[in-house]
Amino acid sequence: RKEVEQDPGPFNVPEGATVAFNCTYSNSASQSFFWYRQDCRKEPKLLMSVYSSGNEDGRFTAQLNRASQYISLLIRDSKLSDSATYLCVVSGFSGAGSYQLTFGKGTKLSVIP
Amino acid sequence: NAGVTQTPKFRVLKTGQSMTLLCAQDMNHEYMYWYRQDPGMGLRLIHYSVGEGTTAKGEVPDGYNVSRLKKQNFLLGLESAAPSQTSVYFCASTGTNTYEQYFGPGTRLTVT
Repeated sequence: RKEVEQDPGPFNVPEGATVAFNCTYSNSASQSFFWYRQDCRKEPKLLMSVYSSGNEDGRFTAQLNRASQYISLLIRDSKLSDSATYLCVVSGFSGAGSYQLTFGKGTKLSVIP
Repeated sequence: NAGVTQTPKFRVLKTGQSMTLLCAQDMNHEYMYWYRQDPGMGLRLIHYSVGEGTTAKGEVPDGYNVSRLKKQNFLLGLESAAPSQTSVYFCASTGTNTYEQYFGPGTRLTVT
């Protein structure tokens, strides 16, 4: 079983639509959770952290369900500039004394005019 | 404040050649990482370092070596390049008080 699984998409949605991405992780000891965004041929950048209580940043809402080992990202009122690949990321403590990130393969979003 | 920089940005190697990728960060971060990203595979950790003078193996370390002689630099070496090492290589760093990793712009390597 892969450690972090995401639907690869692509998700093609019209401007203004609401789109949801889901992610599951296998390591119940994972400690922190994130969504990163990666534009085409660019480096990944942190979009937002994910908390059990849920958190919102403008049009973006992230949720974590530790019991189900499930993470979600909701984007409301999609913009053309939201077109990117969204990476689900979990972190845990490594034996060498640092936190390591495990990345999902990403879900590609294309917002269409 | 440049963040994380990587050199070179692009490189083409022939099988058996060697090269070193350089990563530099100016954020005084303790932890540094090297990943490779392949289509359909996502980001995979090659090696990482928890401080100057330390290195450790990640998920896919074979065929690579690393060194962290200075806190701000993390070098990734390929001693004898193989076509399977064709990939995009990302360096990242993070500090002790945050989980956010800051990535460099990547190095696109092709081995023919």
